[in-house]
Amino acid sequence: QQQVKQSPQSLIVQKGGISIINCAYENTAFDYFPWYQQFPGKGPALLIAIRPDVSEKKEGRFTISFNKSAKQFSLHIMDSQPGDSATYFCAASKAAGNKLTFGGGTRVLVKP
Amino acid sequence: DTGVSQNPRHKITKRGQNVTFRCDPISEHNRLYWYRQTLGQGPEFLTYFQNEAQLEKSRLLSDRFSAERPKGSFSTLEIQRTEQGDSAMYLCASSLGTGRPGELFFGEGSRLTVL
Repeated sequence: QQQVKQSPQSLIVQKGGISIINCAYENTAFDYFPWYQQFPGKGPALLIAIRPDVSEKKEGRFTISFNKSAKQFSLHIMDSQPGDSATYFCAASKAAGNKLTFGGGTRVLVKP
Repeated sequence: DTGVSQNPRHKITKRGQNVTFRCDPISEHNRLYWYRQTLGQGPEFLTYFQNEAQLEKSRLLSDRFSAERPKGSFSTLEIQRTEQGDSAMYLCASSLGTGRPGELFFGEGSRLTVL
């Protein structure tokens, strides 16, 4: 059972453009939704996270939008840069357990 | 560097052999997690420890897999009688368990290739 579904699997965006990645979850017990960034040969690193009591959170060029009723959340990367080229994973967890359930990942390529 | 450390970074073995991976978490972190990641997929949860206690194991963790965290510090993940399907990146992560739930700090992983 895939509890967190992520799309698209890959996307190509021009430098300066907007990258949008979407995720949907099934388990209503999830109450913490982080996004992780992973470069080749490295472990995932926390990028930004949101709780369901907030509909949007922005940190620099990265914004999470959260729709609790639809059980969906998305990552927007504004003014995309070549250095943003990486694989992005959405994830979800229950506060009590901290165990993360990851989506399948989106490979982002930013062309200069 | 005080991040999560994993060794070895890469292990090539023949089918049927046993392998062991080690993880040294961030020193003040009391929770330690093992994940498995195959090419093009997201990390899959295997097991986690709160201090030395193993609190949860995934159904993915067959009887050939065993993990320990004997003194609540470093952890080992052993795979016995390896199979080609075990080929993957094994990721270790640690967290404080309080304050910012969900914030896991990952190591760079141990890549296993079973021939």
